[in-house]
Amino acid sequence: LAKTTQPISMDSYEGQEVNITCSHNNIATNDYITWYQQFPSQGPRFIIQGYKTKVTNEVASLFIPADRKSSTLSLPRVSLSDTAVYYCLAGTASKLTFGTGTRLQVTL
Amino acid sequence: EAGVAQSPRYKIIEKRQSVAFWCNPISGHATLYWYQQILGQGPKLLIQFQNNGVVDDSQLPKDRFSAERLKGVDSTLKIQPAKLEDSAVYLCASSSMVGDFQYNSPLHFGNGTRLTVT
Repeated sequence: LAKTTQPISMDSYEGQEVNITCSHNNIATNDYITWYQQFPSQGPRFIIQGYKTKVTNEVASLFIPADRKSSTLSLPRVSLSDTAVYYCLAGTASKLTFGTGTRLQVTL
Repeated sequence: EAGVAQSPRYKIIEKRQSVAFWCNPISGHATLYWYQQILGQGPKLLIQFQNNGVVDDSQLPKDRFSAERLKGVDSTLKIQPAKLEDSAVYLCASSSMVGDFQYNSPLHFGNGTRLTVT
């Protein structure tokens, strides 16, 4: 299983771009990188998934370098409602492990 | 589409009592997961079903925890007897993934059952 390492917490002001980097040095060839967002008292919510290069959707962008040993989740122009815990996972669907995530705090 | 439904939302029991949680996944989703999330930690996989068969239960404390998914749809997770350290949120998730291919098959989580064991 690919172990992931990400910052425990980050702070940002509203309107800024936030980049959360995740390290997954022992990622396997078949592993995808998936990010989830979790608000208090709710289950995690899928944000974005990728295998290599760049993936963008209406919520975020995911940048994955060629060696795939790390990835960066980019949240453009965050708002107060983006305050949550963000989890980076590397693996296949049958072998997903959540770490402790990154707690993002957005303030005015 | 309707999301993953879980009940009850909250449960308080005394240690050594038993408790059961229920999950109704998204219609058509073949794969169902039960996770345990202790306060301040990420979710930990307890058991994974594909249809009504168990794919992975390596982290399920089988001396006290049991789970079933009859007819490959709804699932129940039971704890008997409960311990203080079982206090956590129990999350159910489902996905349309069949086999090991996960692209475009994200997990859809319910809002969980918060269990407090006193």
